[in-house]
Amino acid sequence: AQSVTQPDIHITVSEGASLELRCNYSYGATPYLFWYVQSPGQGLQLLLKYFSGDTLVQGIKGFEAEFKRSQSSFNLRKPSVHWSDAAEYFCAVGAVRNYGQNFVFGPGTRLSVLP
Amino acid sequence: SQTIHQWPATLVQPVGSPLSLECTVEGTSNPNLYWYRQAAGRGLQLLFYSVGIGQISSEVPQNLSASRPQDRQFILSSKKLLLSDSGFYLCAWGRGLNTEAFFGQGTRLTVV
Repeated sequence: AQSVTQPDIHITVSEGASLELRCNYSYGATPYLFWYVQSPGQGLQLLLKYFSGDTLVQGIKGFEAEFKRSQSSFNLRKPSVHWSDAAEYFCAVGAVRNYGQNFVFGPGTRLSVLP
Repeated sequence: SQTIHQWPATLVQPVGSPLSLECTVEGTSNPNLYWYRQAAGRGLQLLFYSVGIGQISSEVPQNLSASRPQDRQFILSSKKLLLSDSGFYLCAWGRGLNTEAFFGQGTRLTVV
């Protein structure tokens, strides 16, 4: 069965520091991968997605992610974190079902940003 | 452009009471629709999925049900709420295979 792990439950970084959030997936076929961000009490906003092609994908708000098939990873990065980036981040894989497509989410990583 | 509306934003209901959460999508037709639940400190669990009117799939047995009476309307229901039904419920829509999902703002349900 498909699964997504995010090893870090909570990460704290200083404003201006670089950030890397880890994501590992388990999927038998070519994965379709996503990163979403959720502010408290809000829905999820898509940051970026990987379907095929270039393994380094650019997203909104200065985020990027790199797909590494050999490591089954899709880590999210940002070179300089802003205080407004404090939120919860979810990695997800698109999983084909007999009725269509499901999205399997990781447990999330909560990001805190120190001034 | 497409938008997704979900209401109410917050809800406090007593144990044993019924539930109805509504989700509507605008600006697209024949979307795939999803209901997810997010328990405190946990990721998102898919509750129901729909590819068309009257077509509902579920991956986990539960106290909840879903209906799709119109193309762009998705309703989550319960006849009798349990304490364990508390959580953050998110509706989403997508275009099918190999596309992303777009989420509503969520409903915070507290069962007391």
